[in-house]
Amino acid sequence: GQSLEQPSEVTAVEGAIVQINCTYQTSGFYGLSWYQQHDGGAPTFLSYNALDGLEETGRFSSFLSRSDSYGYLLLQELQMKDSASYFCAGFTGGGNKLTFGTGTQLKVEL
Amino acid sequence: EAGVVQSPRYKIIEKKQPVAFWCNPISGHNTLYWYRQNLGQGPELLIRYENEEAVDDSQLPKDRFSAERLKGVDSTLKIQPAELGDSAVYLCASSLAGAVQETQYFGPGTRLLVL
Repeated sequence: GQSLEQPSEVTAVEGAIVQINCTYQTSGFYGLSWYQQHDGGAPTFLSYNALDGLEETGRFSSFLSRSDSYGYLLLQELQMKDSASYFCAGFTGGGNKLTFGTGTQLKVEL
Repeated sequence: EAGVVQSPRYKIIEKKQPVAFWCNPISGHNTLYWYRQNLGQGPELLIRYENEEAVDDSQLPKDRFSAERLKGVDSTLKIQPAELGDSAVYLCASSLAGAVQETQYFGPGTRLLVL
């Protein structure tokens, strides 16, 4: 089956840098997306890696290594509003199916 | 541009009762998804539509769940009868059709509590 594993919780201070890791075991893997979800809110798309390497979008960067079945989301200059759950999600099943990871709850402290 | 709209936002029912959720996707998005998200977990796909056609319903518990998207725009997900274990957030998402790995845009979800 498909599985994407993430740490359950990460805590960091405002202004710091934090990395959220995602390891996956899937067949027919097409690429890795990252979503942010605040409590009670909708998952919101952050980034997508189709190829190996680093993708940068403002304060957020995402990395993928297919050979290691591993990716991460890097958040810089952390702000209190970044406190949320973060999900990696892999495209499988011909590229149309999105399988979500276990999720990481990020807590940003003063 | 309006996002994905879902209603109701919250629903409390007793077990064995029926319940229905409604979703209107982003205008121009032909692909529609229903997900279920249990507390502390990631969303899990229930069904995916391309226009009116359900192209992936392998994860839909067909004994009690049904869905429809009659005109290829809005969609309804129904549970009948509901069980205690159905308590979850039901999310609807949409994406542009025709390409793989399209970004999915999610609605706010319907929080269902079955008592």
